[in-house]
Amino acid sequence: EAQVTQNPRYLITVTGKKLTVTCSQNMNHEYMSWYRQDPGLGLRQIYYSMNVEVTDKGDVPEGYKVSRKEKRNFPLILESPSPNQTSLYFCASSIRSSYNEQFFGPGTRLTVL
Amino acid sequence: GENVEQHPSTLSVQEGDSAVIKCTYSDSASNYFPWYKQELGKGPQLIIDIRSNVGEKKDQRIAVTLNKTAKHFSLHITETQPEDSAVYFCAASNTNAGKSTFGDGTTLTVKP
Repeated sequence: EAQVTQNPRYLITVTGKKLTVTCSQNMNHEYMSWYRQDPGLGLRQIYYSMNVEVTDKGDVPEGYKVSRKEKRNFPLILESPSPNQTSLYFCASSIRSSYNEQFFGPGTRLTVL
Repeated sequence: GENVEQHPSTLSVQEGDSAVIKCTYSDSASNYFPWYKQELGKGPQLIIDIRSNVGEKKDQRIAVTLNKTAKHFSLHITETQPEDSAVYFCAASNTNAGKSTFGDGTTLTVKP
């Protein structure tokens, strides 16, 4: 089944404790992206990747890192999480760019205490 | 950068009525306008999209219209059903771009 998977689905952590949210797609898509969803603010893009080893900032990149060492994986790294990063996070992929349909993962709900 | 505004933020209709959600964008270079539906506890899913070389696109009960001059596009759902209840997002991006800007979402409730 073609899909985007994220792990973990739920995470409660404390301020300053480094964490990684994994994202993987099995559709051989070139483009991958991370979004955060907050009430009343819609989906805001954190980082995106047009292909392996190519990443760029979205609208809200502060406090986040990403890497794209393999085509199928695009992990989101929070080096020192803070409470304002409490949010619902979505990973998405598309065949080539944001000019194409994006397929979203199921989401990761992160709480930073 | 691109700015997308979406209205209304909430919309309640009776089953069988039509629903219209409107978005405006600011960047004239944007040429791809998808609409996503997000059901409770799930990720958004594409329901229809339009590119700037067309003014209207229809898929059964769902249609999207685009006015490039006014930088405005709309989602129309006819004969609404309770299963249409969800959050709907519009978005804008351009050819070969990585950035994608979403509206703030519209919560649609269809009352049986």
